[in-house]
Amino acid sequence: DSGVTQTPKHLITATGQRVTLRCSPRSGDLSVYWYQQSLDQGLQFLIQYYNGEERAKGNILERFSAQQFPDLHSELNLSSLELGDSALYFCASSEFRSYTGELFFGEGSRLTVL
Amino acid sequence: KNQVEQSPQSLIILEGKNCTLQCNYTVSPFSNLRWYKQDTGRGPVSLTIMTFSENTKSNGRYTATLDADTKQSSLHITASQLSDSASYICVVSAVYSGGGADGLTFGKGTHLIIQP
Repeated sequence: DSGVTQTPKHLITATGQRVTLRCSPRSGDLSVYWYQQSLDQGLQFLIQYYNGEERAKGNILERFSAQQFPDLHSELNLSSLELGDSALYFCASSEFRSYTGELFFGEGSRLTVL
Repeated sequence: KNQVEQSPQSLIILEGKNCTLQCNYTVSPFSNLRWYKQDTGRGPVSLTIMTFSENTKSNGRYTATLDADTKQSSLHITASQLSDSASYICVVSAVYSGGGADGLTFGKGTHLIIQP
């Protein structure tokens, strides 16, 4: 158990809909990262938050947005969903703002868009 | 452009045998290199993390090596077990420079299957 909690574990929805994925980082970790992993693809970095503020942004679509709340949990919002958005979405957390520390991953949220 | 290349893409070996997975990177300036194990449909789990000054690091039956001069790393698995079947991902971190770029570059992984 990494200590990172993601909900929901599975989500099935239709094209055009909007969903919210939630992540609770490990106790004490200030950084939260979001990654997308499509079938047989590597992990693609979406966005990082550190202590409530956006720190780094990857290839995140404009239809996607995220935020980190004062209690440090984070939410990833996916809107106007398309079939190609079907993927595993992972949240990871770390203690530091930079990438020197250990990164702990949650078990992921599997999104299926029909 | 920072890149991490892993080989082979997939590998099938018999239970009890050893194997070695390769990782070549072009990430600069280098900060650290990590190996993760990802079971199908699960989150990646860290095996090792090595900095520039470390040549070898072990975690049970897993031993990672790093050659920072040639920018190569390998992950050696000894006496493989069925539970070693997973994807193994090499991740290289650049020295934090601030700004908006992601500092981690992920390889696509090696899919390892252990057969009884």
